[in-house]
Amino acid sequence: QKEVEQNSGPLSVPEGAIASLNCTYSDRGSQSFFWYRQYSGKSPELIMSIYSNGDKEDGRFTAQLNKASQYVSLLIRDSQPSDSATYLCAVRKRVGTALIFGKGTTLSVSS
Amino acid sequence: DVKVTQSSRYLVKRTGEKVFLECVQDMDHENMFWYRQDPGLGLRLIYFSYDVKMKEKGDIPEGYSVSREKKERFSLILESASTNQTSMYLCASSNYEQYFGPGTRLTVT
Repeated sequence: QKEVEQNSGPLSVPEGAIASLNCTYSDRGSQSFFWYRQYSGKSPELIMSIYSNGDKEDGRFTAQLNKASQYVSLLIRDSQPSDSATYLCAVRKRVGTALIFGKGTTLSVSS
Repeated sequence: DVKVTQSSRYLVKRTGEKVFLECVQDMDHENMFWYRQDPGLGLRLIYFSYDVKMKEKGDIPEGYSVSREKKERFSLILESASTNQTSMYLCASSNYEQYFGPGTRLTVT
């Protein structure tokens, strides 16, 4: 079982729709969770971090964490063509350890 | 504003050359990382450092070494570049949240 798993996609949504990106992780003791956005040819950009169960909202983005089920999700409301990118889920098991990345989900938002 | 810089955006080297990739952060972060990213393989950790002069091997350290003489600077060294080291190299730094530099696309011919 991979440590951090994401569907590779592509996930295609129309402009204005909600995009839902999912990620599961294998280590139940993992403590910190992150979502990165990566445009083609660019480096990953941190968009959300979440540390406790529940929802965390930042503008059009909502991160959801469910530690009992070992999944973390990212919702993008009112999706825009500029949201078209690869979204990487990352998990930190303990403070001071390196992030473990999923391989990413490609999102395509059509106008 | 968060800032991680890398010495080159694009680099072309010949097989067998010694290659230095430099990374500098201005956020007083404790931890620094080197990754490579290849299509279909995702981000793979090469080395990381949690303090000056300290280093830890990541998932794919073979063929690489690192140096951290100052807190803000973390260097990746390819001792003898090979064609299979052609890749995008990404540096990152963190205390809690991790931030990436712009990347160096290295081609070894």
